[in-house]
Amino acid sequence: DIQMTQSPSSVSASVGDRVTITCRASQGISSWLAWYQQKPGKAPKLLIYGASTLQSGVPSRFSGSGSGTYFTLTISSLQPEDFATYYCQQANSSPPPTFGGGTTVDIK
Amino acid sequence: EVQLVESGGGLVQPGGSLRLSCAASGFTFSNYWMHWVRQAPGKGLEWVSRIEGGALTTNYADSVKGRFIISRDNAKNTLYLQMNSLRAEDTAVYYCARDLGVLGNYEDYWGQGTLVTVSS
Repeated sequence: DIQMTQSPSSVSASVGDRVTITCRASQGISSWLAWYQQKPGKAPKLLIYGASTLQSGVPSRFSGSGSGTYFTLTISSLQPEDFATYYCQQANSSPPPTFGGGTTVDIK
Repeated sequence: EVQLVESGGGLVQPGGSLRLSCAASGFTFSNYWMHWVRQAPGKGLEWVSRIEGGALTTNYADSVKGRFIISRDNAKNTLYLQMNSLRAEDTAVYYCARDLGVLGNYEDYWGQGTLVTVSS
């Protein structure tokens, strides 16, 4: 299986900060990558797919980039509702999709 | 409005079986691949299985292959996960999710999840 490694595992930030999360794949996955946001006790929410395509309804302060083995999720100006855990997911059909370990964004 | 509602979770002994259901509404169920994703308590997400709209193709994570069976009833707009030979490490919240419908495995709508606890 393809291993997905996120960094950092947690980050403390303030409202208005720019936050960048990194995701590395153990082998090239082209642009088959998604980012999800999850708040405590809730289901994940799709933010970005195809490495950089914003899902409908997601605020434009979220952006994704990268291809191959290196990807980033950037929140340009952190808002109170953005404090959550973020997961990357490699979205290949074969081998099966796998998620990164998650990055928790909390209040500094 | 797309809605996915899971049911069937609960406490089961190691080696036991359980069947989860996911009732779908608000979209043409038979047109979409569907997924099961799980999350152990305090842990990250793990993709479990998926099934094509016509149920002709299924895929599984290695961790559940040979023990879990995904199926669907398009007449009832319901997705299932039959879980056999359950182990303690299968303890998790199980989510059903709809595929986004573009190339790749992306899940755009999720249910609220149902908790499965495997313990004696």
